[in-house]
Amino acid sequence: NAGVTQTPKFQVLKTGQSMTLQCAQDMNHNSMYWYRQDPGMGLRLIYYSASEGTTDKGEVPNGYNVSRLNKREFSLRLESAAPSQTSVYFCASSRNLMVGTNSPLHFGNGTRLTVT
Amino acid sequence: AQSVTQPDIHITVSEGASLELRCNYSYGATPYLFWYVQSPGQGLQLLLKYFSGDTLVQGIKGFEAEFKRSQSSFNLRKPSVHWSDAAEYFCAVGSYSGGGADGLTFGKGTHLIIQP
Repeated sequence: NAGVTQTPKFQVLKTGQSMTLQCAQDMNHNSMYWYRQDPGMGLRLIYYSASEGTTDKGEVPNGYNVSRLNKREFSLRLESAAPSQTSVYFCASSRNLMVGTNSPLHFGNGTRLTVT
Repeated sequence: AQSVTQPDIHITVSEGASLELRCNYSYGATPYLFWYVQSPGQGLQLLLKYFSGDTLVQGIKGFEAEFKRSQSSFNLRKPSVHWSDAAEYFCAVGSYSGGGADGLTFGKGTHLIIQP
């Protein structure tokens, strides 16, 4: 009963380094998302993938890239990390993009990233 | 654009007392509404959702919420809180016409503290 699995749980990067955050879901969901959570800011959508083969920008896409590797996996890449990208990153999935049709988001446990 | 306001950043409640967490939204059309809970170090878990119909919705863990269109509110309630309810609570609003989860807006969260 894994749901949404994110790796790693914690990461410390130096400014300018790159890394990829991994996300996999085992619920056969079509849609996947990356959010960042900052204190006092709630969750903000970085990128999403409505279905396998498609990706779109969310509210705060600058400095990130994504890959929908297959239906299960959706990765987030930081090419050149900056201190402003220090945050907690959450991956989520839903049966389809229309969450209004009884297709709520299911979240992973997050990746805590610090960029020094 | 839609927006969500959770007026209380922190709320402290004694164990066994009743709880009400406030959520106000701004949106021109019929919204769909969610409450999520985030325990420390965990991802967000869906508590309940409103799409249409009965304005009083029941969720998991004994929570309920009431949609009041006239007040643009979707407040979360629980008759008697338990120490395990200590967590961060997020309200989210989306729109039928705006698409799916890419149009979902989260509030900034309310941190619930339970006193013995």
